[in-house]
Amino acid sequence: AQSVTQLDSQVPVFEEAPVELRCNYSSSVSVYLFWYVQYPNQGLQLLLKYLSGSTLVKGINGFEAEFNKSQTSFHLRKPSVHISDTAEYFCALRSGGYQKVTFGTGTKLQVIP
Amino acid sequence: DGGITQSPKYLFRKEGQNVTLSCEQNLNHDAMYWYRQDPGQGLRLIYYSQIVNDFQKGDIAEGYSVSREKKESFPLTVTSAQKNPTAFYLCASSGGSGTGELFFGEGSRLTVL
Repeated sequence: AQSVTQLDSQVPVFEEAPVELRCNYSSSVSVYLFWYVQYPNQGLQLLLKYLSGSTLVKGINGFEAEFNKSQTSFHLRKPSVHISDTAEYFCALRSGGYQKVTFGTGTKLQVIP
Repeated sequence: DGGITQSPKYLFRKEGQNVTLSCEQNLNHDAMYWYRQDPGQGLRLIYYSQIVNDFQKGDIAEGYSVSREKKESFPLTVTSAQKNPTAFYLCASSGGSGTGELFFGEGSRLTVL
């Protein structure tokens, strides 16, 4: 079985401050990992993905994430947030050989002016 | 432009009525998915289909039905057997690259009165 845990349901941060959104996963096989962003009443958009290779992955809008196999983590980071980053962020996992994608419960990022 | 179209965006129904949510894609993707989103619970998989005329139950299939008669279309019926149907429903598709990256529609919000 595979699972994704996002420990923080809400993260408030001041504008231009750095932010880290945490994601831990569980899987007995190799994994593909994803971060998606959702703005209110909209679908999800892909921010970035880890498939293999370099453990530091860069995505859109200045976000990056680091895959850490020993800690089974895939935390999302941004060095300086903007008001427009206010949204809900989802970490997701697909194990090799399976079509099912499992999502975490989401983290709401609130950027404070 | 290629993408996924869900309709209707908002839907109100009386208790005990079946409703069908439409999902159409022009991305030429083989796999399609339906997720249900409730506050604080992330996305939960209802059904998915990897090929025309074939589909599998996800984690919360009870009270739902689907069909996949065409590659482009994957409609979801919320039946009267679904105990708590009020939710935000998201349709997604993925291509043949095998990485599991999902492309989402804008969602359909169903409210049962």
